[in-house]
Amino acid sequence: RKEVEQDPGPFNVPEGATVAFNCTYSNSASQSFFWYRQDCRKEPKLLMSVYSSGNEDGRFTAQLNRASQYISLLIRDSKLSDSATYLCVVNSEGSTLGRLYFGRGTQLTVWP
Amino acid sequence: EAGVTQSPTHLIKTRGQQATLRCSPISGHTSVYWYQQALGLGLQFLLWYDEGEERNRGNFPPRFSGRQFPNYSSELNVNALELEDSALYLCASSLTVYGPQETQYFGPGTRLLVL
Repeated sequence: RKEVEQDPGPFNVPEGATVAFNCTYSNSASQSFFWYRQDCRKEPKLLMSVYSSGNEDGRFTAQLNRASQYISLLIRDSKLSDSATYLCVVNSEGSTLGRLYFGRGTQLTVWP
Repeated sequence: EAGVTQSPTHLIKTRGQQATLRCSPISGHTSVYWYQQALGLGLQFLLWYDEGEERNRGNFPPRFSGRQFPNYSSELNVNALELEDSALYLCASSLTVYGPQETQYFGPGTRLLVL
């Protein structure tokens, strides 16, 4: 089983729509959780860190459910500029300390 | 403040050759990480250096190696290149691996093509 699993999409939504991405992780000892976005042929850029039960940053809301080992990202009022691949990322401690585990990414296209 | 920088941006090699990729972390960051992103695949962890020492290693053969210099910059070496080594190699840095400062910031990557 992969450490981090995401629905690959693609998600194609109109501007203004609300879209949600889901992610599950396999290591119950995971401590830190992130959402990164990656534009085509570019490096991943941090979108949000998720450290507790969830947090909000403008139009973006991330939720964490440790019991279900599940993370979500909600994007409200989608903009054309939100088109990208969204990567669910998990860090762990112990022997895998320092290593980030990336999901394969969920592709989002926002159309006018 | 400058972000993570990597050089070269593109590198073309032939099978059997060696490739050297370089990375400079964000000023003040002591941890440097290397990842491989092959076409159509997710990012795979390669190596983590902190304070000049290799701290962790991903599931890659020994021909992938590297080092971290006293100024915290880092080098990734890939020996005996194989066609499947063609990928985007990303370097990231963080202040520390512990606590909220562990967020990793990525450089623009080096695209390696092995012919």
